[in-house]
This record gives sequence, structure tokens and C-alpha cells, in this order.
Amino acid sequence: DGGITQSPKYLFRKEGQNVTLSCEQNLNHDAMYWYRQDPGQGLRLIYYSQIVNDFQKGDIAEGYSVSREKKESFPLTVTSAQKNPTAFYLCATRMGGPGVYSNTEAFFGQGTRLTVV
Amino acid sequence: AQSVAQPEDQVNVAEGNPLTVKCTYSVSGNPYLFWYVQYPNRGLQFLLKYITGDNLVKGSYGFEAEFNKSQTSFHLKKPSALVSDSALYFCAVRAPYNNNDMRFGAGTRLTVKP
Repeated sequence: DGGITQSPKYLFRKEGQNVTLSCEQNLNHDAMYWYRQDPGQGLRLIYYSQIVNDFQKGDIAEGYSVSREKKESFPLTVTSAQKNPTAFYLCATRMGGPGVYSNTEAFFGQGTRLTVV
Repeated sequence: AQSVAQPEDQVNVAEGNPLTVKCTYSVSGNPYLFWYVQYPNRGLQFLLKYITGDNLVKGSYGFEAEFNKSQTSFHLKKPSALVSDSALYFCAVRAPYNNNDMRFGAGTRLTVKP
């Protein structure tokens, strides 16, 4: 973690509601990622961004959207189209943009636990 | 595409005994391999990585891992377990030619009993 702030820590969503999870970093890392963690399934990639104003879908992007207007920020919106959004969401950053520093490790925020009520 | 398998959901060891958490991987070419630890309701913390060179990699908190290319394994080890090592451990692999496709295993829950 250290230098990556995710907020809120806990979030409750009503059926049909869109919610936005915040991820801010001060590590000056180019690459940012959103993962979803479900018990016994490890981490699954939702979206990633290597540079400002550019992002790519991961394995489970349906029902989610992102933006990357600033290097420091990569918010994730969970839309009403995501039918099973209850999970632990992790934001990560990594040094290096496209084709650069591919051997660096990722750093993770503390996570946001989203629950549908 | 690359993938990671952690064959054990749960590992139990007694404090002071050596511990091993297993990981096998599948990737085309030479892999970049990582171990992370997660405590309850927290993010993942980086422990160590293998990029190239010496097959035995030393990391944080006394952990080490051995890269075995012939067995496509990257097992995490510690000579003497502590109760505070109890946590969820994840192995991850990334192919050098694919910056952003890091694949995680399902995780192994380590419990160290006093």
C-alpha cells in the first residue's frame, strides 16, 4: 500500500444504483489497475491504464467503467449492469508505461469492500 | 496466456517449523514471478520476485522462494514459521512481453499454530 489511497473502505450499494470507488496514488506510477477479489478465486483484472487518457478492459470489465484523466487518479464505477457486485475491490499501481519496466512489482491499496443491500 | 496454480487451499504448520507454500505456473518463455501476502481486509503486500539470475530469491520477513524451471514451480519457503505469518498468500506470474497481464493464483491460507 503506502502511497495508494482507496476510498471508501466500505461501501453499500442499493439495487440499480451506480457507485464510484476512488483510487489515488502519489507514487508517480504510470500504470494503474483495478482487481476484484472473491473468496477462493484470487484476483481478477477489471480494467487497467498505462497512461493518462487511455485504459483497457481486463477479463471481467462488463458492468464496470473507468476514467484516467489524471496520472494520480483511476476511479472505478460499478454500474447497475454489474449483477453481482458484492466483492473486495483492489486498486494497484506499477512503475512503467507501455513497454517499460515490465519486471516491476505492483503496489496495492487497502481495498474497498462493496456490498449490495 | 499465462496461469498460476496454488494446489493447496490451506497450509497448517507449527510455530518454529519450516513452511512451504506451493506455486506452479504456465507461461510462454521466461516468466516474471511474484509472491504477495494479504492480511484480513487489507491490500496485498509484495514479498519477493524472480526476474532472472539466481534461482533462490530472498524477500521480506525472512521469506524466500525457489524458482525451478524444469518443474515450472516457484514455491515460497521460510525456515522457521511465526504465528504472525498466518495470512493469505498469493503467487502471480507475468510474461515479459505482456506488461499488464499479471495472473494470480487463488491463494493459500497459511495458519501457524503456537
